[in-house]
Amino acid sequence: KAGVTQTPRYLIKTRGQQVTLSCSPISGHRSVSWYQQTPGQGLQFLFEYFSETQRNKGNFPGRFSGRQFSNSRSEMNVSTLELGDSALYLCASSLGAGSGNTIYFGEGSWLTVV
Amino acid sequence: LAKTTQPISMDSYEGQEVNITCSHNNIATNDYITWYQQFPSQGPRFIIQGYKTKVTNEVASLFIPADRKSSTLSLPRVSLSDTAVYYCLVAERGSGGYQKVTFGIGTKLQVIP
Repeated sequence: KAGVTQTPRYLIKTRGQQVTLSCSPISGHRSVSWYQQTPGQGLQFLFEYFSETQRNKGNFPGRFSGRQFSNSRSEMNVSTLELGDSALYLCASSLGAGSGNTIYFGEGSWLTVV
Repeated sequence: LAKTTQPISMDSYEGQEVNITCSHNNIATNDYITWYQQFPSQGPRFIIQGYKTKVTNEVASLFIPADRKSSTLSLPRVSLSDTAVYYCLVAERGSGGYQKVTFGIGTKLQVIP
């Protein structure tokens, strides 16, 4: 069974640009969540989607957005990139969205903003 | 909020058993405890999950006391390849009853030959 797949794995963007990251969850998983990982802040929750609806959101500015499609695949978008957005962006999926549903992570997308 | 607290780092010799304890004093009744392993530049890898008492799988054991305010991940006979950061995670119910995940800082385990 394929794991969580994220694309692209590495990308470099210029300050002010926008970026879209893609995530394909494990087959059958309906919940997708996104995280940002930086050396200074650690792993931080961005948002979670279930059945194409955002169910939870972390403390990030509105420049960070996402969506989920009917096949459970998800994208996240960051607009007006800042240098501080450089991070590893992780996508995770779970079968359901309630407590007890194990969350499985992808390998992440490394974003560098220059 | 079920904030987790773990030691920042631990050292262990190869072949020894390693126990990493996580405190989660405000854990809610329905919250599960999950442990992940992360290597540099990779996503966290699921190790084990439990609700109470003891859970064991092929790589680790998880001990959870009756009050559930802490949990201990036990790695038997560690090897150099177990050098990684280990995260204890308690998933909270966010709005609408869905999971909201908050990670702690993790424990950096260094296995020494």
